Amino acid sequence: KQEVTQIPAALSVPEGENLVLNCSFTDSAIYNLQWFRQDPGKGLTSLLLIQSSQREQTSGRLNASLDKSSGRSTLYIAASQPGDSATYLCAVRRGTGGFKTIFGAGTRLFVKA
Amino acid sequence: EAGVAQSPRYKIIEKRQSVAFWCNPISGHATLYWYQQILGQGPKLLIQFQNNGVVDDSQLPKDRFSAERLKGVDSTLKIQPAKLEDSAVYLCASSGRGTNTIYFGEGSWLTVV
Repeated sequence: KQEVTQIPAALSVPEGENLVLNCSFTDSAIYNLQWFRQDPGKGLTSLLLIQSSQREQTSGRLNASLDKSSGRSTLYIAASQPGDSATYLCAVRRGTGGFKTIFGAGTRLFVKA
Repeated sequence: EAGVAQSPRYKIIEKRQSVAFWCNPISGHATLYWYQQILGQGPKLLIQFQNNGVVDDSQLPKDRFSAERLKGVDSTLKIQPAKLEDSAVYLCASSGRGTNTIYFGEGSWLTVV
């Protein structure tokens, strides 16, 4: 059974700091991994998707990496801004059995001005 | 391109009453998902449709929850009778072929009192 864990559960940093959010999963037979952002009272917004054959994806100040063998992914945020404050969730899609997508509980990020 | 549409956005009902949520996915997306997100947790998949067929409903409490996707387009999720623990956000999402990126709606917030 696939389990997805995100550490830390919450993080507070000063503006301008570079930071790393972690996601680990128990079953390496994944199809892809997706990072989302969720603002309070809103739905989820897709940030980056990494296919199982890829090692990383970049979009602006965001960089996501994937190490299937160790069951880990990281989301790197460069030069954090107060507008980055949100909950960040990772989701792992299985490679078989209906391609079910399992979410972690998320990391709540607060960037202080 | 229009996003995933959900209604109603907010609903307050008493326990043992019924409620229905509606979702219209992004045009052309064959896969539709219903997730339940309890405050402070990651989304939990309730049911996944591929066109109008069910791919996974293993975590759907079938004694009280039902969902349908007629004609492979929009979908309805119903809860009857509702329990206090059903208070959550019900998120609808869809994905198409190609990138497999999952797109979420704004969610339907349910409070059972």
